[in-house]
Amino acid sequence: DAGVIQSPRHEVTEMGQEVTLRCKPISGHNSLFWYRQTMMRGLELLIYFNNNVPIDDSGMPEDRFSAKMPNASFSTLKIQPSEPRDSAVYFCASSLKTAYNEQFFGPGTRLTVL
Amino acid sequence: DQQVKQNSPSLSVQEGRISILNCDYTNSMFDYFLWYKKYPAEGPTFLISISSIKDKNEDGRFTVFLNKSAKHLSLHIVPSQPGDSAVYFCAASERDDKIIFGKGTRLHILP
Repeated sequence: DAGVIQSPRHEVTEMGQEVTLRCKPISGHNSLFWYRQTMMRGLELLIYFNNNVPIDDSGMPEDRFSAKMPNASFSTLKIQPSEPRDSAVYFCASSLKTAYNEQFFGPGTRLTVL
Repeated sequence: DQQVKQNSPSLSVQEGRISILNCDYTNSMFDYFLWYKKYPAEGPTFLISISSIKDKNEDGRFTVFLNKSAKHLSLHIVPSQPGDSAVYFCAASERDDKIIFGKGTRLHILP
């Protein structure tokens, strides 16, 4: 029984390059969340989708960040252009609903922007 | 401006003793609270939750206490075991909306 799948697990890129992170939620889950974890700010919610529709993107840091969910089984988080301060671990999570149901997290993507 | 605060970045506890992790929140509209546990190189995993209509929820060695008047919750682990060494995140939600996480507390269980 596969959990949330994220790829790549590690990404090292140079400043100014485009970065795309991918997520496959658990089948049947209708909510998907993108989080960023840093030492300074902890675990921050960037954006979440319900039934493939973005519900709240107030956590997206700036226009360089964008997220899509073209179907129920796939989502991307794109950073263009990337900057060194974007270095963090990015988690994707999915749930059957929103907060009252348990969120299942993927293993994360560790992004390093040089 | 953090709505969920975990003021202790780390905590060390002797194996077999009680671990108490604390969390404060500022939003009085939060009605659901959760604790997640995270091991290195893994995503957080759900541990235990509590609704605002309760003041205690217990699951095996883990108990969460909620004090709404003080806007404070705590997680008790009794007895602490080596496998409990991890980062613990406190989280809260308002009306089944998004979850707001604290910065986490790293728990070290000492042999």
